[in-house]
Amino acid sequence: QVQLVQSGAEVKKPGGSVKVSCKASGYTFTDYYFHWVRQAPGQGLEWMGWINPHSGGTISAQKFQGRVTLTRDTSISTAYLEVTSLRSDDTAVYFCVGTRYEGRFDPWGQGTRVTVSS
Amino acid sequence: QSALTQPASVSGSPGQSITISCTGTSSDIASYNYVSWFQQHPGKAPKLMIYEVSNRPSGVSYRFSGSKSGNTASLTISGLQAEDEADYYCTSYTSSTTYVFGTGTKVTVL
Repeated sequence: QVQLVQSGAEVKKPGGSVKVSCKASGYTFTDYYFHWVRQAPGQGLEWMGWINPHSGGTISAQKFQGRVTLTRDTSISTAYLEVTSLRSDDTAVYFCVGTRYEGRFDPWGQGTRVTVSS
Repeated sequence: QSALTQPASVSGSPGQSITISCTGTSSDIASYNYVSWFQQHPGKAPKLMIYEVSNRPSGVSYRFSGSKSGNTASLTISGLQAEDEADYYCTSYTSSTTYVFGTGTKVTVL
């Protein structure tokens, strides 16, 4: 079945960077766009951006522009989210989610917890 | 892009119906039919419950239904069950070719 599996939890220091991976299986990699969504502890969902796995084109939410990079490696069916200049308020669970059709957010990865702490 | 506005909490007794609203603007909900709803249980990834305003994915109970009027979308849960107790989020496509989530609603089954 269509499945997204993310990399494991990370602990980073303020000012550092983190790269989260999202490996797809069960379908043709380029059939689904990848979106990234984060959720800070006790808070709601926040959309970060998406990548077109076919072209590599990306769109990011304005608040993340300049600090977030979305990439993919089609040879291993994996999408990546990199966040730089980490701050304590970047502490969150980061989810990747696939969309085959506009707005149809499914499937979701299991989430990757990123903790930013000195 | 500001988050879509949802009530912080909604509650109901088993068997009752509840409705969760999601209010946006002319740049998102009012202009596009790409409104989705998600259910999230504690510690779990969100689950798609409704897409394109009113469509249910395969496997989602018929008790969940969606609608939209102007800049406000709504999710109705009929025949409320204990397992429906969770957080619910809406999302909409926007004129900036981005997406925005709602603030989230905690549903409590009394």
